[in-house]
Amino acid sequence: DVKVTQSSRYLVKRTGEKVFLECVQDMDHENMFWYRQDPGLGLRLIYFSYDVKMKEKGDIPEGYSVSREKKERFSLILESASTNQTSMYLCASSLWLPIGPADFGDGTRLSIL
Amino acid sequence: QKEVEQNSGPLSVPEGAIASLNCTYSDRGSQSFFWYRQYSGKSPELIMFIYSNGDKEDGRFTAQLNKASQYVSLLIRDSQPSDSATYLCAVGTGNQFYFGTGTSLTVIP
Repeated sequence: DVKVTQSSRYLVKRTGEKVFLECVQDMDHENMFWYRQDPGLGLRLIYFSYDVKMKEKGDIPEGYSVSREKKERFSLILESASTNQTSMYLCASSLWLPIGPADFGDGTRLSIL
Repeated sequence: QKEVEQNSGPLSVPEGAIASLNCTYSDRGSQSFFWYRQYSGKSPELIMFIYSNGDKEDGRFTAQLNKASQYVSLLIRDSQPSDSATYLCAVGTGNQFYFGTGTSLTVIP
C-alpha cells in the first residue's frame, strides 16, 4: 500500500513564525499535493507538484510556498504564520493523470496562536 | 457558483438500504470524477473514480455519471453502520481538481 507520511500530527506555532510541514510518500508517485481542510469550506488546494522541482499554484497559494527537491518529499512552508492559517493540512499523492489525489496522509492539525 | 456542489445532509438510511449520494458540477469540460470517504477525524480515502458516462460498479459501490446533466452519484447497496462517514465528490478538469464540501451519511442499525 502507498504510504503518505506527514511529519507531525499536531503542531502549535506563533504568529510570524516560519513553519515547515513535511510530507513523504514511498510509492514513487509523480504527483503530490497540499490541501487544507476547513469546516464548511471543504478541501482546498494550496499547491501541487507533478515532478521534482516543478510546482503549480492551487486555489489558495497566498502565504504559502512549497519545495520538492526529491521525488518522494514535498514540503509546505508558511512564510510568516498568521492565525487564519490555523487549519488541518493534508498531503496527498497520485500516479495518474488527469491529476487527482489518490492517497492522503493522516494530516497535520496546525494551530497558530 | 461553486465548481462542485453536494447536499451537506445529514442523510440517514437504515441498515441494508441503498444510500444515494449526489453531486453536481459546473464545468461541462470536466473529465474525471471521484468519490472519497472520510471518517470523522480521519483523512479522505479514495473509493472510486469514473471517466465515462454510465455506471461503474465496485463491490457494494456504484458510481453513476451523466455528463449531459452534469451530475455524478454514488450508490451504496446494503448499507452498513461502518459506511457512516462524510462522502466527498471531486471533479477534475485539465489540471484543476475541485472537491465538494461533502455529504454526511449515517446508517442506522
